[in-house]
Amino acid sequence: AQSVTQLGSHVSVSEGALVLLRCNYSSSVPPYLFWYVQYPNQGLQLLLKYTSAATLVKGINGFEAEFKKSETSFHLTKPSAHMSDAAEYFCAVSRTGANNLFFGTGTRLTVIP
Amino acid sequence: KAGVTQTPRYLIKTRGQQVTLSCSPISGHRSVSWYQQTPGQGLQFLFEYFSETQRNKGNFPGRFSGRQFSNSRSEMNVSTLELGDSALYLCASSLDQRQFDEQFFGPGTRLTVL
Repeated sequence: AQSVTQLGSHVSVSEGALVLLRCNYSSSVPPYLFWYVQYPNQGLQLLLKYTSAATLVKGINGFEAEFKKSETSFHLTKPSAHMSDAAEYFCAVSRTGANNLFFGTGTRLTVIP
Repeated sequence: KAGVTQTPRYLIKTRGQQVTLSCSPISGHRSVSWYQQTPGQGLQFLFEYFSETQRNKGNFPGRFSGRQFSNSRSEMNVSTLELGDSALYLCASSLDQRQFDEQFFGPGTRLTVL
């Protein structure tokens, strides 16, 4: 069965600092992995997705994530945090043979000016 | 291209009532999925429809149901509402039902059950 675990429900970084949001997956087969962002009172927006084409995936707004099979991880990073990055971030995996998503519990990112 | 729209955006109901939520997918998208988001349980998959057929279903009681019309618009219904049904209900559409298809989310319907 597929699942994801997000370490850290809250992460605070200073503006301009590195953003690192952690996600580990559990899957019996090669997974499809996604990172979504949710701003207050809005739906989810896709940041990036891993579909086995490349282990380093670049997404929107300067975010990227690296798929590491040996560590079963798919951590999200951004070199320099911006105030507008403050939001909740969700890691997700899609079910084998279907496109419904299993989400992690989310990480709320706070950016300190 | 217009995004996923959900109506209504906010809804207040009382226990025992039923409610219907509507979702209009992005034009050309044939798959519609529904998710429930609560502070306690997080984001949970309810069901997915593709070409008017329910393809997948999450672990929710039978009070939760849905349907999809020939124009891909979808509705979900919750009968005999309980306090615990208070949540943000998100609809997502995708072009197809493949595992790697991007799902585009609507803004959600916030349901409050009193």
